[in-house]
Amino acid sequence: QSALTQPASVSGPPGQSITISCTGATSDVGGYKYVSWYQQHPGKPPKLMIYDVDKRPSGVSLRFSGSKSGSTASLTISALQPEDEGVYYCNSYSTGSALMMFGGGTKLTVL
Amino acid sequence: QVQLQESGPGLVKPSETLSLTCAVSGGSINNSSYSWGWIRQPPGQGLEWLANIYYTEAANYNPSLKSRLSISIDTSKNQFSLKLASLTAADTAVYYCARLPILDCAFDPWGQGTLVTVSS
Repeated sequence: QSALTQPASVSGPPGQSITISCTGATSDVGGYKYVSWYQQHPGKPPKLMIYDVDKRPSGVSLRFSGSKSGSTASLTISALQPEDEGVYYCNSYSTGSALMMFGGGTKLTVL
Repeated sequence: QVQLQESGPGLVKPSETLSLTCAVSGGSINNSSYSWGWIRQPPGQGLEWLANIYYTEAANYNPSLKSRLSISIDTSKNQFSLKLASLTAADTAVYYCARLPILDCAFDPWGQGTLVTVSS
């Protein structure tokens, strides 16, 4: 069982926006700015998409944005494109059990 | 730009100890701005952080695996390593290494990963 809770799947048609949630606790998501999001395509390593809740690494599309409210972080992808399909994982620094906690992953399907 | 490459045995027997190495190129591992970590992913499942280490050799471990894990760093070879003891089939996974900036706590970049199968 993952310490951070994500929905198992989300979907949307091309051009639409979707949001993936990541719920934790005050010992992780709620207590620190160190929330990151990763995109993973089959057979590939995860790719950093968002760090420090809402920062985009160089080269990541402006269509990806992050936010946080309380102990729930969110990843929003606007103007969905077919290449956005994949599994998205959230991660947070934690003072709970493990130092770095991952969510269980959310499979995004672009219909 | 920094690149990481894992190497390991591929197939190990139950009860044995797994040894993995991550070679870092394009930058020095002897850098106070980063720690270096290991993450694994069982087939069809999610990601699990295992451990990370600093150039000072200070380390953090996932408490659920701490008794079986050992992480080390070799600044002369610009690489770091992971050992996991008392293997079972549940340890079958793709093992990734990644860089972890101290100020941002986000894994980037990642190695390509190496599949480790535990089977007799």
